[in-house]
Amino acid sequence: EDKVVQSPLSLVVHEGDTVTLNCSYEVTNFRSLLWYKQEKKAPTFLFMLTSSGIEKKSGRLSSILDKKELSSILNITATQTGDSAIYLCAVGGGSNYKLTFGKGTLLTVNP
Amino acid sequence: DAGVIQSPRHEVTEMGQEVTLRCKPISGHDYLFWYRQTMMRGLELLIYFNNNVPIDDSGMPEDRFSAKMPNASFSTLKIQPSEPRDSAVYFCASSPRTSGNTGELFFGEGSRLTVL
Repeated sequence: EDKVVQSPLSLVVHEGDTVTLNCSYEVTNFRSLLWYKQEKKAPTFLFMLTSSGIEKKSGRLSSILDKKELSSILNITATQTGDSAIYLCAVGGGSNYKLTFGKGTLLTVNP
Repeated sequence: DAGVIQSPRHEVTEMGQEVTLRCKPISGHDYLFWYRQTMMRGLELLIYFNNNVPIDDSGMPEDRFSAKMPNASFSTLKIQPSEPRDSAVYFCASSPRTSGNTGELFFGEGSRLTVL
């Protein structure tokens, strides 16, 4: 069975801190790994990674994939209260070539 | 573009009643997905369509759940009869052909269902 595990499940930091969120997977026929941010409503897309070792960056957020270790990290530097959200990792592949989501990491950034 | 549109946003019903959730995908997107989100199980794929044809419904919990896509701009997810354990947020998402079913999905704002 395809599996995506995120850690930690929750995290509380102060504004300005740097955080690293982890995602590990066991998925056959790997195609892609995606990160989403979910505030109160719909998940919104952050990154899609398909190649190992190539960092994707958007402002204070960055992510990298390690296919050898079957994992990815999402880094957020100089956190702000607006970064408070659930961060979801999803992996595309499996016998049915679909996205399997992890349960998410709840990040709380306090002022 | 208006994005993926779902209705109703909130639904409270009693056990045994029929529930119908609706979705309008982004125009031009070939794929449509129905997901369910709960605290315990996270986001789970229920079913997805490609060009209005159901491709994979292995995530549909049981026969009480059914989904249709009569045309490219409309889909429904029906639960009949509903049970308290069906309480969850139901998301519809769509994606263009270039993303397929393993690329970026565009989510609607969800329908929060409470079954009493």
